[in-house]
Amino acid sequence: TQLLEQSPQFLSIQEGENLTVYCNSSSVFSSLQWYRQEPGEGPVLLVTVVTGGEVKKLKRLTFQFGDARKDSSLHITAAQPGDTGLYLCAGANYGQNFVFGPGTRLSVLP
Amino acid sequence: AAGVIQSPRHLIKEKRETATLKCYPIPRHDTVYWYQQGPGQDPQFLISFYEKMQSDKGSIPDRFSAQQFSDYHSELNMSSLELGDSALYFCASRIRAENTEAFFGQGTRLTVV
Repeated sequence: TQLLEQSPQFLSIQEGENLTVYCNSSSVFSSLQWYRQEPGEGPVLLVTVVTGGEVKKLKRLTFQFGDARKDSSLHITAAQPGDTGLYLCAGANYGQNFVFGPGTRLSVLP
Repeated sequence: AAGVIQSPRHLIKEKRETATLKCYPIPRHDTVYWYQQGPGQDPQFLISFYEKMQSDKGSIPDRFSAQQFSDYHSELNMSSLELGDSALYFCASRIRAENTEAFFGQGTRLTVV
């Protein structure tokens, strides 16, 4: 069974700070996705990474896929209150089901 | 672009009643996932379907059942509702064979009173 772990589970920071959240697995995934979910809404896809070592930037968010395609990180620069939400990573392999991590709950205080 | 459509958006039921939630995946998507998210909790996987067949089963209670129809839409049927079933129910779809991303619907908020 493929499992994804995320850390930290909870994170509360001040506006303007930087942060990194991690998504780890003992399994290899052919692709990995990051989602952000706001209260009462469905998870919204932020990015997909497919190549080991790949780095993608989305404004103040930087996503990296590990060389071995078993882990990923999300770095947020100068966090803003609008970044508050539940960040979920999910791994996928061809012909197999999606696997979600338990999520990191981020709270950015003004 | 078309997104995953869930209906209804909100549903209020009494204990012991039944409820049916519907999910219309993005066109061409052959896989549907159902998730349950209680207040302040992470989404919990319930069940998934690929090409109209159940492909994986998570923490779905025996009181719940689901199916995927020939047009690929899916329905989650919930019977003998309990107060603890109150939650957000999300549906997601993807093209499994192409290993594409999954996209989520806006969810159905079920309140059992």
